[in-house]
Amino acid sequence: DVQLVESGGALVQPGRSLRLSCAASGFTFENYGIHWVRQAPGKGLEWVSGISWNGGSTGYAVSVKGRFTISRDNNKKSLSLQMNSLRGEDTALYYCAKDRYSSSWNTNSQGMDVWGQGTTVTVS
Amino acid sequence: QSVLTQPPSVSGAPGQRVTISCTGSSSNIGADYAVHWYQQLPETAPKLLIYANNYRPSGVPDRFSGSKSGTSASLAITGLQAEDEADYYCQSYDSSLSCWVFGGGTKLTVL
Repeated sequence: DVQLVESGGALVQPGRSLRLSCAASGFTFENYGIHWVRQAPGKGLEWVSGISWNGGSTGYAVSVKGRFTISRDNNKKSLSLQMNSLRGEDTALYYCAKDRYSSSWNTNSQGMDVWGQGTTVTVS
Repeated sequence: QSVLTQPPSVSGAPGQRVTISCTGSSSNIGADYAVHWYQQLPETAPKLLIYANNYRPSGVPDRFSGSKSGTSASLAITGLQAEDEADYYCQSYDSSLSCWVFGGGTKLTVL
């Protein structure tokens, strides 16, 4: 089965750091762009970050640029999101999601067709 | 305030047709960037419903269709069913922000 499994969510104090991970299985990980999307409690979806197949291109939402860093290890079929200087507004369920077709994350993306179950980050 | 504007809620009776609008601007939908639509059932991860404006992934019923014109896009659902009750989100790329953006989401209620 094609699967993404997030981990690393926790309760952290404002200003601290946290690293999220996403483990992939069931598909050729290195062929696809991967994204992080978050959802605050009771709120809508917010795209957070994306990374191309080889990590050579990355993108960030304005709200996290300069604080979050996305990376990937194709040998380990894993994705990471390093989150620094955390704020209360970063409290959310964080999903990793696979691009449906594109090896990149940007304008060539054809949507996100596989999602993990999410991992919860609480900043308080 | 989302870059893409969706109505907070829509409703319809079983069997009816409903549409959900997604209004953007010249830096996203109007710049001819693709629009994708997602369905999120309660307490579950989102599911890709429509990609690249009007294409359905395998397994999505043809009751769901997408369209785009100018700076707006729409999702249409025909033959409404109780199982369609969910939140729906549009997504597009914004060149001013250099990132993907979602609409605020629309809650569909099946009466």
